[in-house]
Amino acid sequence: DGGITQSPKYLFRKEGQNVTLSCEQNLNHDAMYWYRQDPGQGLRLIYYSQIVNDFQKGDIAEGYSVSREKKESFPLTVTSAQKNPTAFYLCASSSQGEQPQHFGDGTRLSIL
Amino acid sequence: QKEVEQDPGPLSVPEGAIVSLNCTYSNSAFQYFMWYRQYSRKGPELLMYTYSSGNKEDGRFTAQVDKSSKYISLFIRDSQPSDSATYLCAMSGGGSNYKLTFGKGTLLTVNP
Repeated sequence: DGGITQSPKYLFRKEGQNVTLSCEQNLNHDAMYWYRQDPGQGLRLIYYSQIVNDFQKGDIAEGYSVSREKKESFPLTVTSAQKNPTAFYLCASSSQGEQPQHFGDGTRLSIL
Repeated sequence: QKEVEQDPGPLSVPEGAIVSLNCTYSNSAFQYFMWYRQYSRKGPELLMYTYSSGNKEDGRFTAQVDKSSKYISLFIRDSQPSDSATYLCAMSGGGSNYKLTFGKGTLLTVNP
């Protein structure tokens, strides 16, 4: 079955630690996205990538980094510079920019 | 004024009721309109995708877009307890088709 796989489902970060969230898709989609979801705030775009080896900042990129070395993979690193990382992180993909985005089942990140 | 406004609810209805969910928006450049359903601790699932104004029906779900009023709706007929979830509207367009702007979501409970 085609889809988007995010791992792990739950992740805990210690102070000063970088953590990486995995996102893999087998939909052959060109574009991939990372969102953050906080209670009562809706989804906010962190980074997006329309092709391999290229990505752009979204609305809340500070404290995050990404890479896009393969079409199927778009990992997100939450760095120690992100002072409020506790949130539900969602990865999405689409075939082209104007096509609807499809989401994975998210990673919940908490602070130890 | 926020770009997309969505009543957060919560909305509670009896099984079999017709449910109406709505979003208003301010950006007249939006052309693509989506409704997502999100169960607790899961990623959003695409329900409906429409381009420009008009109606679209899929089973018990009908999406309406009124661009002149900047107003979109999702109707759910014969609602079921399995429809209990958060419903998110999203929209894009105006040359930035990659970027979805989301409403904050409406929490719906359908009581047996």
